[in-house]
Parts: sequence; C-alpha cells; structure tokens
Amino acid sequence: EDQVTQSPEALRLQEGESSSLNCSYTVSGLRGLFWYRQDPGKGPEFLFTLYSAGEEKEKERLKATLTKKESFLHITAPKPEDSATYLCAVQGDNYGQNFVFGPGTRLSVLP
Amino acid sequence: NAGVTQTPKFQVLKTGQSMTLQCAQDMNHEYMSWYRQDPGMGLRLIHYSVGAGITDQGEVPNGYNVSRSTTEDFPLRLLSAAPSQTSVYFCASSSDRGFHNSPLHFGNGTRLTVT
Repeated sequence: EDQVTQSPEALRLQEGESSSLNCSYTVSGLRGLFWYRQDPGKGPEFLFTLYSAGEEKEKERLKATLTKKESFLHITAPKPEDSATYLCAVQGDNYGQNFVFGPGTRLSVLP
Repeated sequence: NAGVTQTPKFQVLKTGQSMTLQCAQDMNHEYMSWYRQDPGMGLRLIHYSVGAGITDQGEVPNGYNVSRSTTEDFPLRLLSAAPSQTSVYFCASSSDRGFHNSPLHFGNGTRLTVT
C-alpha cells in the first residue's frame, strides 16, 4: 500500500533561520512527487513536481529534492509569509491519476 | 480566472439530513476529485471522475455519492449525514486524462459540521 509520512508535524523558525521539511514515501512505481502549500482556510496550492531521484526544483526561498525514499523541502532564510502547512503527495502505479497525501508539516516563521 | 469554485463555504447539518456540496471548474479539466481533510490524517480521496459520465470510488467513499453530467461540475452528495462526516471537503481538478503527472488545482473548501 502506498504511504506518505511527513516530519516534523510542526516547526517554528525565527525569520532567517533555514531548515528542512521531510517527506518519506512508500509507493509502487513512483510517477511523481508533489509539494503543495496550504494557508489557513484555503485549498492547497501547487509548488513543485519531482519525477526521479536526484532531481531538484527551486522557487524563491524553497528548494525541493528527491531520493528513492524521501523528499526534502529546504527553506532558506524564511520570512513570516512562508508560514503555512506544507503537504507532500505521490502518484504511483497503484492509483492511476490519484494521489496519496501526507499529513503535512505546519510551519510558523516568527519575525 | 475562477479556477475551482466550491459552495457553500460553511454548512451545519443535523444527523440524518442530506445535502449536496457543489464544485465547478472553468479550466476544461477532465479529471475531478473530492477529498476530505481531517486533523493529522492528510487529504483522503472520496470519489473521483476522469470525465463526464465516469465516476469511481476512492479511499473513503461510504456515505457519499457523486455524478458527473458535465465536464465543469462534480457535485458531492451526503445521503444521510453522520457526525463522522464532520470535516473540511476539497474539490480538485487536473488536466491531461491518462497523463499521470499533472498537479491538482484545489478549491477553497467547504467546512461541514454534523451535530
């Protein structure tokens, strides 16, 4: 069965304090790993797709990396506006176009 | 540029009542889906559709019904609401039916409370 876990569950950072969020996955035939950002009271917003181990994607202060077992979302010099819940999801051979989501990491960046 | 629109934003039901959550998208996406989001459990797939006239069950389909008569609309029906259905419901769509790497576009959710 495909599974996604994320750690930590919650993370508090000072503004400018870099850190990483982890997404560990078990999937049969990975087709894509997706990162989303979710603000309170809103739907998830797409950030990145990673397709194969070794791939990296960057957007502003965020950088996503992928290995065969996990993905990291690195946040460099975060700002308070980066505060959100970050969700990881995978698509694999077992579920066609459907996604399996992790529970998310709630990030708070304090000024 | 509306994207995915969900109504209502909030709803309170009594146990046993029925209701329909509405979802519409204006991106001509073939694939549409419904998720529920509960604390600590992540998004769980309820039902999905790969095109008009085609629907299928996801991970947690019991107590819910869907239909897809048009490409744009994908309503979710609660047949007889139960307290266990208290949750936040998200509708999501994506393009390229049969191409498995398209990200989902989400609506802003319906927060449902069943008393």
